[in-house]
Amino acid sequence: GESVGLHLPTLSVQEGDNSIINCAYSNSASDYFIWYKQESGKGPQFIIDIRSNMDKRQGQRVTVLLNKTVKHLSLQIAATQPGDSAVYFCAEAITGFQKLVFGTGTRLLVSP
Amino acid sequence: DADVTQTPRNRITKTGKRIMLECSQTKGHDRMYWYRQDPGLGLRLIYYSFDVKDINKGEISDGYSVSRQAQAKFSLSLESAIPNQTALYFCATRDRVNEQFFGPGTRLTVL
Repeated sequence: GESVGLHLPTLSVQEGDNSIINCAYSNSASDYFIWYKQESGKGPQFIIDIRSNMDKRQGQRVTVLLNKTVKHLSLQIAATQPGDSAVYFCAEAITGFQKLVFGTGTRLLVSP
Repeated sequence: DADVTQTPRNRITKTGKRIMLECSQTKGHDRMYWYRQDPGLGLRLIYYSFDVKDINKGEISDGYSVSRQAQAKFSLSLESAIPNQTALYFCATRDRVNEQFFGPGTRLTVL
């Protein structure tokens, strides 16, 4: 069946480092991908998205890379800050989607 | 996100009780969703609605029902709660560009 998974359940970094969170997806028909950030006690918050016609998209301190050949998605956070500590989810969908398929999440811990 | 609110935020109930979780939004979005979050399983879709007259089952709808009372309101009911329905429940809305906006969540414990 469809699945979206993450390679690392927990990632610990030092403040100022760059962080990379990875995600694998299995549905080759998916053409829209999203990264969410979920802080403790809050709902998921949209970070950045990318469509399958792109390999890379940049936001403020974040970059999403998409490798369709190996069905891999990554989120890069530059100059990681303590406020970036949260659980990060990837999700996949098909355009005109009725639902998102979420991964299990990666916890990012940023030490000062 | 204050644009999507959920009540209650926390609820403890007993097996067999009927429970209703409420969701309201001020974003004006037609599309609304209910998700369940369990540790290690991410978010799973329970029900979704594209407008007041449209209700669709998600991947884990058994044991749940919903009501879309108005564009701004989407309620989730557990007709007879059971312990394995203990979880964190999120309501979400979606705009036409695909971004989903989540509420703060309701933590439900079924004893």
